[in-house]
Amino acid sequence: DAKTTQPPSMDCAEGRAANLPCNHSTISGNEYVYWYRQIHSQGPQYIIHGLKNNETNEMASLIITEDRKSSTLILPHATLRDTAVYYCIVKEGTGANNLFFGTGTRLTVIP
Amino acid sequence: DARVTQTPRHKVTEMGQEVTMRCQPILGHNTVFWYRQTMMQGLELLAYFRNRAPLDDSGMPKDRFSAEMPDATLATLKIQPSEPRDSAVYFCASGLFIRESPRTQYFGPGTRLLVL
Repeated sequence: DAKTTQPPSMDCAEGRAANLPCNHSTISGNEYVYWYRQIHSQGPQYIIHGLKNNETNEMASLIITEDRKSSTLILPHATLRDTAVYYCIVKEGTGANNLFFGTGTRLTVIP
Repeated sequence: DARVTQTPRHKVTEMGQEVTMRCQPILGHNTVFWYRQTMMQGLELLAYFRNRAPLDDSGMPKDRFSAEMPDATLATLKIQPSEPRDSAVYFCASGLFIRESPRTQYFGPGTRLLVL
């Protein structure tokens, strides 16, 4: 599985967009990009995933660069409840395997 | 809104006692995972099942941990005997993995275990 690199921490003002970057320069063609988050004392929560195209759901948008070597998770209007550790994970689509969560980015939304 | 459920949510026990944690995966999911999270080690995989069959339990201490799926709606993780170093939050996750589909996992709220 490709390795990912994320900044250890970020701050974002409440109501503003939070843009969380992730580098995955060794990603291969059949590997998906997944984003999860973990709010304090809760289980990890799936947010979104993508392969090549940009994706959007009710929680967030995922922008993947054309060369697929990096991506950005966008929370369009961050709220205090979005304060969490965000994990970017790269994993191939086939095979039954676990997810390696790494250390993630600790996002703090500031009132 | 389908969710993974886990019981108990909290467990305090004494060293040497047996601990059983239970997980109800999302109905229809065919893959179930057990993870453990500590401050030092982060989130690590203990074992996982596909269609109730164990596929990988290499992350578990074999002498004291056991994981089973008695039926499609119940997964169990047992520690016997428990030790203080087993203190952690144990998460269950499930997913529907078919053919070339993305491997999206959905996590339960966890069981917070403290072994004294």
